[in-house]
Amino acid sequence: EAGVVQSPRYKIIEKKQPVAFWCNPISGHNTLYWYRQNLGQGPELLIRYENEEAVDDSQLPKDRFSAERLKGVDSTLKIQPAELGDSAVYLCASSFLRSSYEQYFGPGTRLTVT
Amino acid sequence: AQKITQTQPGMFVQEKEAVTLDCTYDTSDQSYGLFWYKQPSSGEMIFLIYQGSYDEQNATEGRYSLNFQKARKSANLVISASQLGDSAMYFCAMRVPPFAFGNEKLTFGTGTRLTIIP
Repeated sequence: EAGVVQSPRYKIIEKKQPVAFWCNPISGHNTLYWYRQNLGQGPELLIRYENEEAVDDSQLPKDRFSAERLKGVDSTLKIQPAELGDSAVYLCASSFLRSSYEQYFGPGTRLTVT
Repeated sequence: AQKITQTQPGMFVQEKEAVTLDCTYDTSDQSYGLFWYKQPSSGEMIFLIYQGSYDEQNATEGRYSLNFQKARKSANLVISASQLGDSAMYFCAMRVPPFAFGNEKLTFGTGTRLTIIP
């Protein structure tokens, strides 16, 4: 079974530029999560989807961050414009239905904003 | 609000020895779940073990066991017979409630970097 796929693995951009990250969850997994992991920290949830509905986006900085999961499968997280403080690893995870306590993580996208 | 504290930023352990990674948590909820994840240098978080707050037995998964002391609010991970491949970052996390029924989220600690010495 294929795991959670993320691309790109690495991205370097200048501040004020836009950037997008893509995630394809494990087949059949209804719940999708985006996390941000700052250096030396644990991941922090940005947004959670149940199918195509964003059910928890309270931690998403909505002035510059946006996300979508149009068909309830893959998802895109966008930052526009990027700031220096956005440098981090962006992790995507998925789980099967609400009752699953186990989240499967992708390898992440390491973003560097210069 | 929930909080996870991991006080060991790094540990060095001889191969084949057992190792205990500390985790304490803070929540006012009675129903919660505790998790341990491993993050190797490749970046993905790998689920290791889960303990529910109402589980009477300590969770075990192969070489991993969770030493759950509810009164002390601690959930230490024990790795028996450590191997070189165990070298990684280890994160303790908590979810309130334990299952995804509402606006729950995983709250992570800052992690412990474990290095196994041959």
